[in-house]
Amino acid sequence: NAGVTQTPKFQVLKTGQSMTLQCAQDMNHEYMSWYRQDPGMGLRLIHYSVGAGITDQGEVPNGYNVSRSTTEDFPLRLLSAAPSQTSVYFCASRSQGSNEKLFFGSGTQLSVL
Amino acid sequence: LAKTTQPISMDSYEGQEVNITCSHNNIATNDYITWYQQFPSQGPRFIIQGYKTKVTNEVASLFIPADRKSSTLSLPRVSLSDTAVYYCLVGGYSSASKIIFGSGTRLSIRP
Repeated sequence: NAGVTQTPKFQVLKTGQSMTLQCAQDMNHEYMSWYRQDPGMGLRLIHYSVGAGITDQGEVPNGYNVSRSTTEDFPLRLLSAAPSQTSVYFCASRSQGSNEKLFFGSGTQLSVL
Repeated sequence: LAKTTQPISMDSYEGQEVNITCSHNNIATNDYITWYQQFPSQGPRFIIQGYKTKVTNEVASLFIPADRKSSTLSLPRVSLSDTAVYYCLVGGYSSASKIIFGSGTRLSIRP
């Protein structure tokens, strides 16, 4: 059982470039979310989804787009990367019942030059 | 979601018991208290959850007083490998809930 898989693990972008961070889970979880974590800081919620076709904004959504066409996948798109988006990005999922725990991926280290 | 307050950092030594307290004065009736642990360069992982009184598992214990306005994560006889950031979350986590993490407590264990 792979759990939550994120790709790539590392990425370097130039300012203005676009890219998509991939997240896939094989646990049939309805809830998926993206967080970013800056050095020495806590996690901040970017976007989340409670099921296919449903997405909503978190604490820091600006500069990021998401879509949820399948239960398994929840990609995060950076349309025009900025140095302020240099961070580690974590994807997480959980089942839909109350108080279910979050399962996290191993993260994507993104540097924007 | 109830706001939580926990110490920014704590230090301890191997073999000691470590207690990390989280304050959540505005906890709602249907809110649970959940703790996550994050090692460097990894995503957080669930360690324990409780509603009231005491919960114990193979990793930690969670103590919740009757008024539920605070909770204490207890790590017995810590080792160097317990060095991590510990996050306290409070919420009912309904199907549409955002799950917000605070800054956590950075625990450093010394030999």
